[in-house]
Amino acid sequence: DAGVIQSPRHEVTEMGQEVTLRCKPISGHNSLFWYRQTMMRGLELLIYFNNNVPIDDSGMPEDRFSAKMPNASFSTLKIQPSEPRDSAVYFCASSLTWGRWGGINQPQHFGDGTRLSIL
Amino acid sequence: DAKTTQPPSMDCAEGRAANLPCNHSTISGNEYVYWYRQIHSQGPQYIIHGLKNNETNEMASLIITEDRKSSTLILPHATLRDTAVYYCIVRVASGETSGSRLTFGEGTQLTVNP
Repeated sequence: DAGVIQSPRHEVTEMGQEVTLRCKPISGHNSLFWYRQTMMRGLELLIYFNNNVPIDDSGMPEDRFSAKMPNASFSTLKIQPSEPRDSAVYFCASSLTWGRWGGINQPQHFGDGTRLSIL
Repeated sequence: DAKTTQPPSMDCAEGRAANLPCNHSTISGNEYVYWYRQIHSQGPQYIIHGLKNNETNEMASLIITEDRKSSTLILPHATLRDTAVYYCIVRVASGETSGSRLTFGEGTQLTVNP
């Protein structure tokens, strides 16, 4: 079975450029998560979607970051303009939830991440 | 979510059982214990989770103490490919959107030696 698919796997770009990261969740999963991992801060949740609707975006660092989920099989995380401190590995994860708030004890399945370097 | 405490590193001989401890003394009654691992350059991988009963799957066993204040992840026959950082996470069961958050701590670096 296909897992969570992220693209690109690596991205190197110059400061000020727009960066778009893409994620395809596992088919049938209705929750999607974007995480960022750095040596200094570890793994941090940026934003969480349930049924394509953003539920918790309290982890989004600032207005330069935005995320969308136009349909159940695709999500993007955009950084505009990018800065060197945005360099990190960005992970997407998905899970299946149900009920009013979701059976959120269901495990999240992660993609292999996008390694982003801003010069 | 309850805070967890894990040793920073452990070593294990290939073929032997790896027992990874986790303390979560402030765990609440509606919080599950999850274990994930992260192999270098890969995304975190779900291993197992449980509430109060011991659990076993094809990857590992999870032993939770009766008072639920600590747990142990057991890899019965460790291989070199099990070398990874192992994270113990405590998370609410349902009902709160904030419970969707997986808070990863420092984890335990497990090194399986030949």
